[in-house]
Amino acid sequence: DQQVKQNSPSLSVQEGRISILNCDYTNSMFDYFLWYKKYPAEGPTFLISISSIKDKNEDGRFTVFLNKSAKHLSLHIVPSQPGDSAVYFCAAIIGGATNKLIFGTGTLLAVQP
Amino acid sequence: NAGVTQTPKFQVLKTGQSMTLQCAQDMNHEYMSWYRQDPGMGLRLIHYSVGAGITDQGEVPNGYNVSRSTTEDFPLRLLSAAPSQTSVYFCASSYAVGGGYSNYGYTFGSGTRLTVV
Repeated sequence: DQQVKQNSPSLSVQEGRISILNCDYTNSMFDYFLWYKKYPAEGPTFLISISSIKDKNEDGRFTVFLNKSAKHLSLHIVPSQPGDSAVYFCAAIIGGATNKLIFGTGTLLAVQP
Repeated sequence: NAGVTQTPKFQVLKTGQSMTLQCAQDMNHEYMSWYRQDPGMGLRLIHYSVGAGITDQGEVPNGYNVSRSTTEDFPLRLLSAAPSQTSVYFCASSYAVGGGYSNYGYTFGSGTRLTVV
């Protein structure tokens, strides 16, 4: 049972435009959400996160939005750059007793020059 | 500061063979975990440990064993390799709780690509 879902396996955008990556979750106990970026032959690297008590977090070109009622979060990249081309994973943590990190299936972003 | 080190980077096994994937971290993190990455499946949690001597199962533990005798090391053992275990394996470490870091300090190794024939 996939608790964190990314329904778009791939996304292609033009350089300079906005990239929007989406993520849905089913477990209402998740209280912290993270986005990871992964290049081929490398481990995932942390990009940005958001606590469940917030609805928006911004870091430079990257903004994450959280809609708790819809159990949905999204990552916006503005403006998109060719170096942003990678696989993006959404992940979630149930805080407190354990910080197991549960990942979504990933979205391959291709930014065309 | 090496972070999380995984060895080997590549391995080919025959069905039925056993092997150990090594993982070491030098950040004094309490929490360590193993994931496997498969196409269309994302990263799935195999086993995790919240400290030396304490381990627990993740989402896909069958066919794998772990132990945690020291804070630094968290090896993953394949008891009898099967083609279904062909995957890329990632080890990660982090603080046991938020630790004041926005990512819980989660750090991943560069992965071990395993092929079982």
